[in-house]
Amino acid sequence: GAVVSQHPSWVICKSGTSVKIECRSLDFQATTMFWYRQFPKQSLMLMATSNEGSKATYEQGVEKDKFLINHASLTLSTLTVTSAHPEDSSFYICSGQIWGAEETQYFGPGTRLLVL
Amino acid sequence: DQQVKQNSPSLSVQEGRISILNCDYTNSMFDYFLWYKKYPAEGPTFLISISSIKDKNEDGRFTVFLNKSAKHLSLHIVPSQPGDSAVYFCAASGWGKFQFGAGTQVVVTP
Repeated sequence: GAVVSQHPSWVICKSGTSVKIECRSLDFQATTMFWYRQFPKQSLMLMATSNEGSKATYEQGVEKDKFLINHASLTLSTLTVTSAHPEDSSFYICSGQIWGAEETQYFGPGTRLLVL
Repeated sequence: DQQVKQNSPSLSVQEGRISILNCDYTNSMFDYFLWYKKYPAEGPTFLISISSIKDKNEDGRFTVFLNKSAKHLSLHIVPSQPGDSAVYFCAASGWGKFQFGAGTQVVVTP
């Protein structure tokens, strides 16, 4: 149980284009979803917290206009990297949290983004 | 400001021996701690957790110890197996958010 999927698993795009990454909770309702990014050999860095039906809360230093997050339903959150640049190349991971069980997060498999 | 620190970037251990991974945190408001295992190009998978009201939690080969006064937790894996080779992240939770350490790469050798 508590499976989270991400799509696509990897994407290559040209600089200046936008990329959308989907995060779905397959067998539970995720009242809260988190988006992380990870650079090679570094920690998972929280980018933003999204609650279903409301605006995402971004961590300090994360540009909300560049990383658009939508949490339209209890099973789907999307992250759109707008006007991507090579420095946005990273591994993006989402996680879902079940209401009433906030002590645990269930992670997706991640999306590898490469911006050329 | 890194509130959760794993000071050992790597650990090599022989199969069958004990692996001990360490993690320190600075914020005394954290009330829940977790360990995740991560393979390359995959998301982290939950291993074991511990609440701040406990000092030990055991699940099979995995045991987590928490020393609140020292703001330190550790993960013991015994016996270590080749499939345990991965990156291990500790995480601290407070206010519904998680802070992760930088990870420790564990290599289990035959």
